[in-house]
Amino acid sequence: AQKVTQAQTEISVVEKEDVTLDCVYETRDTTYYLFWYKQPPSGELVFLIRRNSFDEQNEISGRYSWNFQKSTSSFNFTITASQVVDSAVYFCALSENNFNKFYFGSGTKLNVKP
Amino acid sequence: GAGVSQSPSNKVTEKGKDVELRCDPISGHTALYWYRQSLGQGLEFLIYFQGNSAPDKSGLPSDRFSAERTGGSVSTLTIQRTQQEDSAVYLCASSLGGGLAGLYNEQFFGPGTRLTVL
Repeated sequence: AQKVTQAQTEISVVEKEDVTLDCVYETRDTTYYLFWYKQPPSGELVFLIRRNSFDEQNEISGRYSWNFQKSTSSFNFTITASQVVDSAVYFCALSENNFNKFYFGSGTKLNVKP
Repeated sequence: GAGVSQSPSNKVTEKGKDVELRCDPISGHTALYWYRQSLGQGLEFLIYFQGNSAPDKSGLPSDRFSAERTGGSVSTLTIQRTQQEDSAVYLCASSLGGGLAGLYNEQFFGPGTRLTVL
């Protein structure tokens, strides 16, 4: 079974629209970490955020926000007022209690059109 | 400052040959990670080093894959008897710390090595 599921393979929006990328994870550990990464067309991965399982506070960073809900095992990522530069593949990832492995979702390709 | 560098940037090899991929982490970063990304696929975690030690090697796809790190710095990922399914972009990342500490630290990724096995 997939430990991290990103059901949206590809999303297309028009600039200035808000968009939410879904991430559902599966783990039996009580301590775990969740991550989001961005991979722009240039290919180089960029770390966006990490969140530990004990902190369910939502986080906002500029136009980016993350909604962590343990009750639904989800860690969704919202981009507000999207821009063309947001076009990329976004990966959600999980690291469990032993911290020695990462499990990635299959990624969501976001296309932001002008 | 210098980021994570990987060499070669591209490698084309024939099936059955051995290849070595190199990663130079950011100076002072004790944690180093290898990932693989096949064409059009997601990311696959391979192995993580804390210093020169890899606590868990079960992410390596087969016994043809091995990795080492020396001096707490440079790491080499070796693939023996390459197969066509090994074709992928191999990514390396480093962070200030590993394990529990490292997960509070951002991972910085290198540009990757694109491996093509003919």
